[in-house]
Parts: sequence; structure tokens; C-alpha cells
Amino acid sequence: SQQGEEDPQALSIQEGENATMNCSYKTSINNLQWYRQNSGRGLVHLILIRSNEREKHSGRLRVTLDTSKKSSSLLITASRAADTASYFCATVRNSGNTPLVFGKGTRLSVIA
Amino acid sequence: GAGVSQSPSNKVTEKGKDVELRCDPISGHTALYWYRQRLGQGLEFLIYFQGNSAPDKSGLPSDRFSAERTGESVSTLTIQRTQQEDSAVYLCASSLAGSGEQFFGPGTRLTVL
Repeated sequence: SQQGEEDPQALSIQEGENATMNCSYKTSINNLQWYRQNSGRGLVHLILIRSNEREKHSGRLRVTLDTSKKSSSLLITASRAADTASYFCATVRNSGNTPLVFGKGTRLSVIA
Repeated sequence: GAGVSQSPSNKVTEKGKDVELRCDPISGHTALYWYRQRLGQGLEFLIYFQGNSAPDKSGLPSDRFSAERTGESVSTLTIQRTQQEDSAVYLCASSLAGSGEQFFGPGTRLTVL
């Protein structure tokens, strides 16, 4: 069964607007990661936030983590048409090498 | 630099045939993972290798699925007697020990007719 659930399932915004995607998970985690997928093929790692971190920034991306609520959010500021993709959160339950547990993703469409 | 590569990129096969999917991880990455993604769905974990051994095979959906890894490098996922429900994109990823971040290949799109 899947650990994470993204919300919303689909999001459509205008270029320049901010996009916020949420992720909830069920069990305790070591870290939470966000990935982007274009055209249903390979995933690209965006950002990793550890369980003892609350917020992290990378360029136009801002990720928050609330372990008490078992939730995370990904904010993309000043969106561009090239940001159109599916975004997945993935959790790591143990340290080191363990498989990622993925949600079903949010499909983001940025309209120029 | 070289990333994770997978072959073939697309595979169409008839129900009942066996298929082999190959993954070449990033050199030096000790961990290797196989996932399956059905259309419009998230990724489903299949199996994970640490070196050449598989500590976690819990995601393999049936005994028709098997995988091996040799030389702490290339991995092959084999599906025997394919069924139509096996149609999906099969994604491979690798990671450095303890890094958390996984690097994905482009996937193999399998279609079983």
C-alpha cells in the first residue's frame, strides 16, 4: 500500500502564480523527498527534507515538514510553463538504503 | 556524467512470453531499486539490492517476477509468462550508501498484448 497521499490530484494555474502541493503520510519517517516526473518516464529528485527539519528552500522551491501532522507541502513560486509535470512525495522509513514509498502524485499544469 | 540507463526503452510482447529488463546504475552506487508504475499511478516498489544481494523482495507481485544483480552493477528484472496486467513502466533507480536521494533511469515501457 502507498504511504503518501498527495493533494490535490490535479492543479491548474496561470504562469507566474504559486503552486502548492500537499503530502500526507502514515508512519514515522527518516526523511521525505519530492520528485518531478515529465511525460510518465524517469523521475528527477527535487529536494530532501529530514525528519528533524521543518523547512527547506531550493531556488523557487520551498518544502515544509510537520512531523506531528505527518504532512509536507511543496511550494513552487512564480511558476513557469516548464514546471508542468507530475510531482510525487516519497518517504524513507529507515536510515540508509531503503526503498522510497511514493504517493500517487499531483499533476500540475501551468498555463502560459 | 552518465546517469542510470535502462534497456530496452520500449518492449511489446505477447501474453505468455518471458521478458528481461536491464538496468545500468550509476557507477559506485551500491543500492539499486526496481519500481513499477501503472498508467496514472504512483510508483510501486518491487525489489531492492544492496550490493548483489536483495534484502527486500517484498514488492515482487508474484513468483513470475525475479531479479538479479551482478558485479554490484547491472541488474536484470525478469518477468516470466507475462500477463496483460504486467503492462506498465518499469523504473530503476540507484543511490549512494546512506544518501537517501535516488537517481532514476528513463524507464522501460512494457506492453503485453
